[in-house]
Parts: sequence; structure tokens; C-alpha cells
Amino acid sequence: EIELTQSPGTLSLSPGERATLSCRASQSVSSSSLAWYQQKPGQAPRLLIFNASNRATGIPDRFSGSGSGTDFTLTISRLEPEDFAVYSCQQYANSPWTFGQGTKVEIK
Amino acid sequence: QVQLQESGPGLVKPSETLALNCTVAGYSISSGYYWGWIRQPPGKGLEWIGSMFHSGGAYYNPSLKSRLTISLDTSKNQVSLKLNSVTAADTAVYYCARKGRSGWYADQWGQGTLVTVSP
Repeated sequence: EIELTQSPGTLSLSPGERATLSCRASQSVSSSSLAWYQQKPGQAPRLLIFNASNRATGIPDRFSGSGSGTDFTLTISRLEPEDFAVYSCQQYANSPWTFGQGTKVEIK
Repeated sequence: QVQLQESGPGLVKPSETLALNCTVAGYSISSGYYWGWIRQPPGKGLEWIGSMFHSGGAYYNPSLKSRLTISLDTSKNQVSLKLNSVTAADTAVYYCARKGRSGWYADQWGQGTLVTVSP
């Protein structure tokens, strides 16, 4: 089973700043089979990025995904007030599909 | 616009069967995509439970497979989950979800329903 470790656990930033979130896999994630989700309290996750770098429908271009192998990054170029949330990564290269524990992006 | 809505009991006794339904609106589940379930225990990460395709293809999480049944009712446009022999570890928010077109990510989600396993 591939374990995903997200860092940092919490990121304290101000609106307008750049956020860089990391997702590290315990073994190589082939074919860049990695997704990112955003989750706000009491809401379902929302797909942001799939296949490591493809934005989902309707996702603003301030969100970008990159990486390959075992190291992946979600970047939010300029934080908007609605971007403060928990972000989780998920791999779907090897069964069982697994998720990271999440990074909380909070207002500084 | 696709909408998914979960329904079912919020409280289940240990050793009994957890049963949930998901009604899909805005898309016929017999037209394609895998449909299934993802859960999130309180304060923990997400776990993909399993998914099914209308023609019979399925993915079950190996850790849950022995207790799990997922089925599609195309006449009602519903996805069902049954998880038997539940314990407190099965307490979670259960989300109905659609598998993405190009991989095993979830591109559409229901709002989720909390199921508590307790005597």
C-alpha cells in the first residue's frame, strides 16, 4: 500500500501570498496518478487537480499541480479568502487508492 | 449538473449491517462512469471504499472486500452500499462519489452522511 505524507500539517499565510503544499509517496506513483482535493468544514471534498497537473473543470488557474515519482506539489499562486481550507492528495497508481492526511491552510 | 445525495440510518449497532443509498440526479448511471463510496472517519483522512460500473466492473478496497457489497439500481438511478459486521472503526462520514473519466480520482461528490456505530 502506498502511503502519502503531506507537509506541512498546517500552513499559516495571508491572502495574496503563495502557498506550496507537498505530498510525498512511500513508493513511486506511476503515470503521475495523483489528485488533489480541497475540503472546507462540513463540506465534501472538491477535485482540484488530477493526473498530477491537470486542473479539474471550473478550477481557477491560480491552482497548479506538479511533480512525478514520489514528490508532488500543489501551488496556489495568490491565496484568495475562499482558499483557506484543508487540501488532500490521493494516489491511484496502485490499489488500494490512498489519501494523505491533509494540509490545513489557515489565515495568518 | 450532476448531483449525488446520500441517505440512510445515521446510527448502526455493532455487528449489524450498514446500508446507504445514493440517488444520482442529472446523469443516468447506466450511461457510464464508475459510481461508489468514499468515507472519512472523524478527524482522519479519506478512504476509498469501492466503486461499480453499470455493466458489472467493480473495485473494492481489499481491506473491506470481505464485508462489502456495492450495487447499482439503474431503474432508480441509485448506488447502494452495504457493509456488514460493523464496529466502531466504521464510524465515518460516507460520501457517494463518481470516478473520474481518466483515472481513479473522484470528480463528483455527494454532501456526505455521518454514520455512527454504537450500541
